[in-house]
Amino acid sequence: EVQLVESGGGLVQPGGSLRLSCAASGFTFSSYEMNWVRQAPGKGLEWVSYISSSGSTIYYADSVKGRFTISRDNAKNSLYLQMNSLRAEDMAVYYCARGLAATIIDYWGQGTLVTVSS
Amino acid sequence: QTVVTQEPSFSVSPGGTVTLTCGLSSGSVSSSYYPSWYQQTPGQAPRTLIYSTNIRSSGVPDRFSGSILGNKAALTITGAQADDESDYYCVLYMGSGQKVFGGGTKLTVL
Repeated sequence: EVQLVESGGGLVQPGGSLRLSCAASGFTFSSYEMNWVRQAPGKGLEWVSYISSSGSTIYYADSVKGRFTISRDNAKNSLYLQMNSLRAEDMAVYYCARGLAATIIDYWGQGTLVTVSS
Repeated sequence: QTVVTQEPSFSVSPGGTVTLTCGLSSGSVSSSYYPSWYQQTPGQAPRTLIYSTNIRSSGVPDRFSGSILGNKAALTITGAQADDESDYYCVLYMGSGQKVFGGGTKLTVL
């Protein structure tokens, strides 16, 4: 069974940093592309970032480019999102999501909440 | 900036058929945008229903189908059930890894 478990969310002040993690199991992690998708409270979904299976190709939404960094450790079956210079508008539930290709998301984690507030 | 459009809300009677659409603020949606559809109930993670226009994700019943209708992507639910009451999101692939979600459609079954 595919499982994606996010962690690392919490309360952070504006301008602060946070690192999210996603532990994957139930599939060969190194063979799959991965994404981060977020959802602000009461709002819709927003794609944040993508990383290829090897980590060699990375994309970001314009809203986070230059502030967020996606990475993965295939030996640890883990995906990460380093978030710097956090803003109030970054407050959201962050979902780790598996990709079948750059165009497809097939499985989602349960999400971790990031709260940005002073 | 590209805006992906969805109906804010829709209602369907139990057993009925409903078609939700996913369009572009300018231009037409084609299979080249690899439209996908997701279902989300309050407090839960999204669930993938359809990807690449019309491919059902694993475990998704065939009551759910995807297509291109005119200049939009479409999700059709036949034989609507009470537990189909959810938010439905589409996403379009814009190239260079960029994906843009629609604002979502709140479906009521009554």
